[in-house]
Amino acid sequence: DTAVSQTPKYLVTQMGNDKSIKCEQNLGHDTMYWYKQDSKKFLKIMFSYNNKELIINETVPNRFSPKSPDKAHLNLHINSLELGDSAVYFCASRLAGNQETQYFGPGTRLLVL
Amino acid sequence: KQEVTQIPAALSVPEGENLVLNCSFTDSAIYNLQWFRQDPGKGLTSLLLIQSSQREQTSGRLNASLDKSSGRSTLYIAASQPGDSATYLCAANSGYALNFGKGTSLLVTP
Repeated sequence: DTAVSQTPKYLVTQMGNDKSIKCEQNLGHDTMYWYKQDSKKFLKIMFSYNNKELIINETVPNRFSPKSPDKAHLNLHINSLELGDSAVYFCASRLAGNQETQYFGPGTRLLVL
Repeated sequence: KQEVTQIPAALSVPEGENLVLNCSFTDSAIYNLQWFRQDPGKGLTSLLLIQSSQREQTSGRLNASLDKSSGRSTLYIAASQPGDSATYLCAANSGYALNFGKGTSLLVTP
């Protein structure tokens, strides 16, 4: 009965490949997010998405794209992976309303070789 | 642009001590502030959430305060235990997303 789940938990891949990370929430939330935690453990927002609006952090390369097949899922697609993409990626979700709590997934550890 | 700073970056204390972790943010227009715990190689565990209208929240040995006008929050841990060893992150919610500090790495020694 995990609230926010991510797959895979670990992902090791070669530079130049295209990969996807899946995120699902069973909380009935309206807004979903992707965050990146770099090697220095700093967490930064990448995307915020609800059924009306996608907000992209301007520092995110266009090789990264979120795709939402339905309200409960927000998948992260990464094209032409680079060494610097190695990080932990966290998905999160919340109800509509800016004061609402965000609930985080367990993270996906991506290593690009 | 919201910037969140946490001091100290690292802290080592003997078991049983009371301690305070500090968090400051540059834009006081926040909806709430949240404290998280992260164990090595693990995800985020939410500890306390303080709405902008609140001054503090308590959970067990943890107490978090918020002074929105001065852009500060503190996390007080009473009677620290080795199991409290982890990285503590504060995050200011400005509406669009959470803005995280870089964390305080806490080590509680037996």
